[in-house]
Amino acid sequence: GNSVTQMEGPVTLSEEAFLTINCTYTATGYPSLFWYVQYPGEGLQLLLKATKADDKGSNKGFEATYRKETTSFHLEKGSVQVSDSAVYFCALSEVNQAGTALIFGKGTTLSVSS
Amino acid sequence: EAQVTQNPRYLITVTGKKLTVTCSQNMNHEYMSWYRQDPGLGLRQIYYSMNVEVTDKGDVPEGYKVSRKEKRNFPLILESPSPNQTSLYFCASRTGKRRNTEAFFGQGTRLTVV
Repeated sequence: GNSVTQMEGPVTLSEEAFLTINCTYTATGYPSLFWYVQYPGEGLQLLLKATKADDKGSNKGFEATYRKETTSFHLEKGSVQVSDSAVYFCALSEVNQAGTALIFGKGTTLSVSS
Repeated sequence: EAQVTQNPRYLITVTGKKLTVTCSQNMNHEYMSWYRQDPGLGLRQIYYSMNVEVTDKGDVPEGYKVSRKEKRNFPLILESPSPNQTSLYFCASRTGKRRNTEAFFGQGTRLTVV
């Protein structure tokens, strides 16, 4: 079945450090890929997405490129801020007989200190 | 404003006392779902609904019920809650037909069963 694997956390960084959170997926078809972010005490919100191979999603300084050859969608940011501290979820969406299922990774907690 | 509204945000209850968590969306989305979030396990889907009067089990449906009598509402019912259902619950909605659409999440309901 379809699945998403994220790097284990927590990830602890100093302000202005470079961030990478790895995400790989398994899918039978051509999924869309997403990164969601969950700030403390809040629900999940979409950070960025990519809908086909080689697409790059970007938002708020974060980027991720849909790599079909390596089945990956790694999240990167060149210079993190304290306000980026949150839980990050990689997800894929594919059409099946149940409609459009959204499958999440387990989440990676990022903690940024000043 | 497009939103998914869950109530209550926090709930403490006793084992066996029936409870309902409400979820409402104002975006005319066909697809709604419930997730629970537990440490180390990420988000797991409980139930989903592709449209009015159409519901189906997700990955962890035991002990839960849902109904979809109206398009905007998708309540989660725990007929006889047990301590292992202590968790953080999220309702989500999205357009059901295309794989590249984002899901919108409620703020979450933190349930404690004692």
